Amino acid sequence: DVKVTQSSRYLVKRTGEKVFLECVQDMDHENMFWYRQDPGLGLRLIYFSYDVKMKEKGDIPEGYSVSREKKERFSLILESASTNQTSMYLCASSLFRGIQPQHFGDGTRLSIL
Amino acid sequence: SQQGEEDPQALSIQEGENATMNCSYKTSINNLQWYRQNSGRGLVHLILIRSNEREKHSGRLRVTLDTSKKSSSLLITASRAADTASYFCATDQKGGSEKLVFGKGMKLTVNP
Repeated sequence: DVKVTQSSRYLVKRTGEKVFLECVQDMDHENMFWYRQDPGLGLRLIYFSYDVKMKEKGDIPEGYSVSREKKERFSLILESASTNQTSMYLCASSLFRGIQPQHFGDGTRLSIL
Repeated sequence: SQQGEEDPQALSIQEGENATMNCSYKTSINNLQWYRQNSGRGLVHLILIRSNEREKHSGRLRVTLDTSKKSSSLLITASRAADTASYFCATDQKGGSEKLVFGKGMKLTVNP
C-alpha cells in the first residue's frame, strides 16, 4: 500500500529558527509536493519536484526552500521561520509526470512562536 | 491561485441520505479529481475524471463533469457517519503545468 510519511505530526519552533520538515515515500514515485493548508484558504502549493535534484516553485514559495537528494525524500526548509508560517504542512507524491492521483502524508502542524 | 470552488461550503445530513457537492472551475482542464480529508489527517484520493468523460462511479460515489459549464458534482449515496469529512476538488490546467490546484474544501457532516 502507498505510504507517505512526514517526520513530525506536531512541531513548535521559534521565530528566526531554520526549520526542516521531512517527507518520505516508499512507492518509487517520481513526483513529490509540499502544500500548506490554512483555514479558509484551502491547500496552496509551495514547491514540487519531478525528479531527484529538480524543484519547481508553486504558488507561494517565498520564505521556503526544498531539497530532494534522494528519490524517496523531499524536505521543506523554512530558512528563517516567521509567525505567518504557522500552518498545517502536507506532503504528497504521485507516480510519474502527467496528472496522477496524489498520495498524502498525515501532515505536520507547525507552530512558530 | 484558486481554480476549483466547492459548493456548498458546509452540508449536514442524516445517515442514509444522499450528499451532493459541487465544484466550479475557471479554465479548461485535462481532468478533475476529488479528495476526502478526515479531521487532522492528510487527503485521500477518491476519484479522477478526465475531460472527455461525463460520469464516473466508484462504489457509493458518483462524479459528473460538465466541461461546457466548467463544473463537477460529487454524489455520495446512502451516506454513513464515517463519510463525515472535508471534500476537495482539484484541477489541473490544460496546456499549463501538471500541478493540481485545490479548492477550499467543503465540510460534510453525516449525523447518525
